[in-house]
Amino acid sequence: GAVVSQHPSWVICKSGTSVKIECRSLDFQATTMFWYRQFPKQSLMLMATSNEGSKATYEQGVEKDKFLINHASLTLSTLTVTSAHPEDSSFYICSAEDPMGQPQHFGDGTRLSIL
Amino acid sequence: LAKTTQPISMDSYEGQEVNITCSHNNIATNDYITWYQQFPSQGPRFIIQGYKTKVTNEVASLFIPADRKSSTLSLPRVSLSDTAVYYCLVDLQTGANNLFFGTGTRLTVIP
Repeated sequence: GAVVSQHPSWVICKSGTSVKIECRSLDFQATTMFWYRQFPKQSLMLMATSNEGSKATYEQGVEKDKFLINHASLTLSTLTVTSAHPEDSSFYICSAEDPMGQPQHFGDGTRLSIL
Repeated sequence: LAKTTQPISMDSYEGQEVNITCSHNNIATNDYITWYQQFPSQGPRFIIQGYKTKVTNEVASLFIPADRKSSTLSLPRVSLSDTAVYYCLVDLQTGANNLFFGTGTRLTVIP
């Protein structure tokens, strides 16, 4: 079946560093991908919708200059957390729209820890 | 997006059938009901989706009454590996929509 891959799965870095997370659809083309954030023991919260070839749509309260999203191809969307701080530490998950109308496919997430 | 209400947690012994009910009073005509399973440090995995009556696949059944204001996910004979958080979502079937995740139900299977 369709697979969505995220990389890296885990990253630890110093405060002030920028971190890039990749989300790839491995066997289908995804014109739309979604980025979620999940804090411990909480539910997934949508951060933004990534559209291939156009600007991302951000949810209320999510800083677009802080969380840069690029969807340059039909199989890759990237989320860059710029100048990360400890409060940005979280579990980031992407999902991709299935062109065949099936339920969304999720990546396995990236755990980001900012020291 | 229609919001959902689920029990926060449930416990079950191995081998038992588990039924998790979800309320979605404001479900729209074109909305489908989808259930996802999430293990710690992993992304959600699709379990089952339905519109009305009953849907069954190799891992679960989904029961939806005629008014569609609720649904019940049924897991037959759970095992320890079924310990996870289960999310009920309602949205358009096409998948081209952002999904609203409620609190989910944390199922703990006990030996």
